Formats: sequence, structure tokens, C-alpha cells
Amino acid sequence: QSALTQPASVSGSPGQSITISCTGTSSDVGGSNYVSWYQQHPGKGPRLMIYEVTNRPSGVSTRFSGSKSANTASLTISGLQAEDEADYFCSSYSTSSTPYVFGTGTKVTVL
Amino acid sequence: QLQLQESGPGLVKSSETLSLTCTVSGGSISSSSHYWAWIRQPPGKGLEWIGMIYYSGTVFDNPSLKSRLTISVDTSKNQFSLKLSSVTAADTAVYYCARLGGLLAASIKRAFDNWGQGTLVTVSS
Repeated sequence: QSALTQPASVSGSPGQSITISCTGTSSDVGGSNYVSWYQQHPGKGPRLMIYEVTNRPSGVSTRFSGSKSANTASLTISGLQAEDEADYFCSSYSTSSTPYVFGTGTKVTVL
Repeated sequence: QLQLQESGPGLVKSSETLSLTCTVSGGSISSSSHYWAWIRQPPGKGLEWIGMIYYSGTVFDNPSLKSRLTISVDTSKNQFSLKLSSVTAADTAVYYCARLGGLLAASIKRAFDNWGQGTLVTVSS
């Protein structure tokens, strides 16, 4: 099963907003309300940032928001801060060969 | 606060079996609302779902690994384990254990809401 497609890198200046895309198929992103996003700092385990496309777990900043249109989900980080510099992965429930598929990952750089 | 911790050898010889254990603390592995998953990340690459287990012992695994994969749970120790046989260099990765919310979960469904810190397993020739 193919991974979901994300841009390799996205950058922005402090205070700006950036958006990371996650493109799949009708078997996963397009056909599922269970898209999630994870933040991963170097040497650390991933942290859940968004679940069920738009929901934030307790403790996650409101600067993080999620959306979806057709086969593409998006994560937007507003008011970019130095601490947001990390790798970000999307994931989706899938009706294909494996029930969960992950994105290729995006490195966010704060300029 | 729920915590997960992977343990096991960091170096495995090619063709041998990789064995890892995930110890869950701060919560029960016998939750009817959650699954317990293994996920790996080869160096410089993305995440790959390996498989997961329910406290009852029901296993869901990645078809690409199925013939080599064993996932088990020990509720008395609050642990679950991974065995991957006949390893090659392609199995070199950071291995994570994680908790997945099931459809019966109170809030977070079908997302991995708690992760271990990960353990690097290198397959040597």
C-alpha cells in the first residue's frame, strides 16, 4: 500500500502561517473521517496533534488546525514559533490492505 | 499519565529474529477501547504500520510482513511484544509501540494517542 504524499519540506518565518498537505486516495483520506497528524522532534516519539481531521487533543495549541477536501488533508500552523520546527506526519484509516497508512513526512523549518 | 516503553536488543544479525517488548504503565493494557500497535521508521524514511493487538489477543498485521510477524500480549505484565523473523537490512529501523483509540474510545478514535520514545534496531550482516 502506498504512503500518503506530503511535501518534503515547508518553511516560514516566525508569526507566519504555513500549511502542509497530505494527499491520498478514495480508499483512505478521501473516504475516511479518521485522518490524524503527528509532530516529531529529533530523537523523540511522535506526538498526536490532530485527530478525526479537525480535532485537537487536550494540551495541543489552538495554533494547529486540520481540514480536508476530497483526497487531500491539510495541517495549518498559524503564528509559527521556533518550537514548531519538527517533522510532521499525517495518517489515515484505510480500507485497503492495511488499516492505517502514514504520510511521507514534512520537515517544517522556522526561518 | 500513560507511558509506553520499548525494550529489546539494538543489534540483530541477518536471518535471525528481532524481538521487542512494550511495557505499558499508568494505564491498563486490558482496555476495551484501545489497540496496541507496532510502527517502524527506517532511517530517513516515513512511518510504516507493522500491526496491532487487542487485549483479547486478536491481531491485525501488515500483509507484507505477515509471514514473518508475531505479535502477542501479556495482560498480567501489562506488556505486548513483537517478533519479526528472518530479518534483513531492510528491517533496520526505529521501532515504536503506540496506543490506538478504537471506535469504543471515549474521545480519540482511530488515532495513535500515546507513543513510546522508540528503539533503534540495526540488522547486521
